[in-house]
Amino acid sequence: QITLKESGPTLVKPTQTLTLTCTLSGFSISTSGVGVAWFRQPPGKALEWLTLIYWNDDKRYTSSLRSRLTISKDTSKNQVVLTMTNMDPVDRGTYYCARLIIPFGVKDAFDIWGQGTMVTVSS
Amino acid sequence: DIVMTQSPLSLSVTPGEPASISCRSSQSLLCGNGYNCVDWYLQRPGQSPQFLIYLASYRASGVPDRFSGSGSGTDFTLKISRVEAEDVGVYYCMQARQTPITFGPGTKVDIK
Repeated sequence: QITLKESGPTLVKPTQTLTLTCTLSGFSISTSGVGVAWFRQPPGKALEWLTLIYWNDDKRYTSSLRSRLTISKDTSKNQVVLTMTNMDPVDRGTYYCARLIIPFGVKDAFDIWGQGTMVTVSS
Repeated sequence: DIVMTQSPLSLSVTPGEPASISCRSSQSLLCGNGYNCVDWYLQRPGQSPQFLIYLASYRASGVPDRFSGSGSGTDFTLKISRVEAEDVGVYYCMQARQTPITFGPGTKVDIK
């Protein structure tokens, strides 16, 4: 069974750095053709893509948050880590990681999602 | 950035009746080999998103065949042939044609 699970702090202070970990089970981040992406969702609002990393360590970031985001993978632990610097109350929301696949080798899709983790930014 | 719009934003459906959601993109979502790089996801209340449709018209594994996707270029449609109670939630279209990957605002479907 393929699962992803997000972990990290539920509360961070403004200006602090958020570090979230996505632990993968049932598949390896090193497997060709896969990857992991991070998304977030403010309460009651739409999904927003943040970043992704491919099996070959290629990475993509949303331009609006590029200076604040870093994605990395630890193949030995089969984990993907997201860091977001300079957190602000507007960054409050549920953060999800998801498995990336490339159907027919064409483009990215996200077939398995973690349960999400709610992050609040407050002093 | 590619802007995704959806209509309607809210839909109330009688069980057993069909439902249709429209998704439009600000640029063509035609990718390589003639595929359209748009996916659909369902987020049931209190749950994480679920993969429904990829490349505009291919059902993800385990998705009931009452769900279908169609469209090309900038106009796409998700159809549910006969809505069931478990279909309630918010439906999102998403483009992966280029980064940043972007989502539509979502269409909330509930049961009458």
